[in-house]
Amino acid sequence: EVQVVESGGGLVKPGGSLRLSCAASGFTFSSYSMSWVRQAPGKGLEWVSSISSRSDYIYYADSVKGRFTISRDNAKNSLYLQMNSLRAEDTAVYYCARAKVDSSGYSNFDYWGQGSLVTVSS
Amino acid sequence: DIQMTQSPSSLSASVGDRVTITCRASQDISNYLAWFQQKPGKAPKSLIYAASSLQSGVPSKFSGSGSGTDFTLTISSLQPEDFATYYCQQYSSYPRTFGQGTKVEIK
Repeated sequence: EVQVVESGGGLVKPGGSLRLSCAASGFTFSSYSMSWVRQAPGKGLEWVSSISSRSDYIYYADSVKGRFTISRDNAKNSLYLQMNSLRAEDTAVYYCARAKVDSSGYSNFDYWGQGSLVTVSS
Repeated sequence: DIQMTQSPSSLSASVGDRVTITCRASQDISNYLAWFQQKPGKAPKSLIYAASSLQSGVPSKFSGSGSGTDFTLTISSLQPEDFATYYCQQYSSYPRTFGQGTKVEIK
């Protein structure tokens, strides 16, 4: 069974840092691109960042570029999101999502974790 | 960036109704369009990819259509478990972008 489980969320002060982790199981982690998607309280979904299977392609939303860093350790079946210089507007549930490549060669999100809440507040 | 616009933002429907949600992209995205269902307090669940392909395990009452800039999600016969918020998302280019969501409520 495919599973992705986020951890590392919590309360942090503005300007602080936090590192999210996503533990994957039930599939060959090293064969899939992975992404982070967030959802502010009562709001819609916002894509944050994506990383290819071998970490050779990395993308960020403009809202987090220069502050967040996505990485992965294929030996540990884990995805990470290092979040620095956090702002109140970064408060959200952060989801880890697996990206499946379809017949077109493009990848879409097929499995999502349960999410990890990050609250940025003084 | 590609803007995704869903309509309506919310709708009220009865059990057994046929429901259609529309998603429009600000530019041509071919068929690189996915639909997700989200229930309160839960993670999104993938329903459809490539505009019309059902994800594994998703019941056939869900169907998707469209190409280019205009897409639809149809639920053929609404059941109690289908009351949720639905999102479209383009994966034609980065940044990946989502529609604002359509909340399907019980009439």
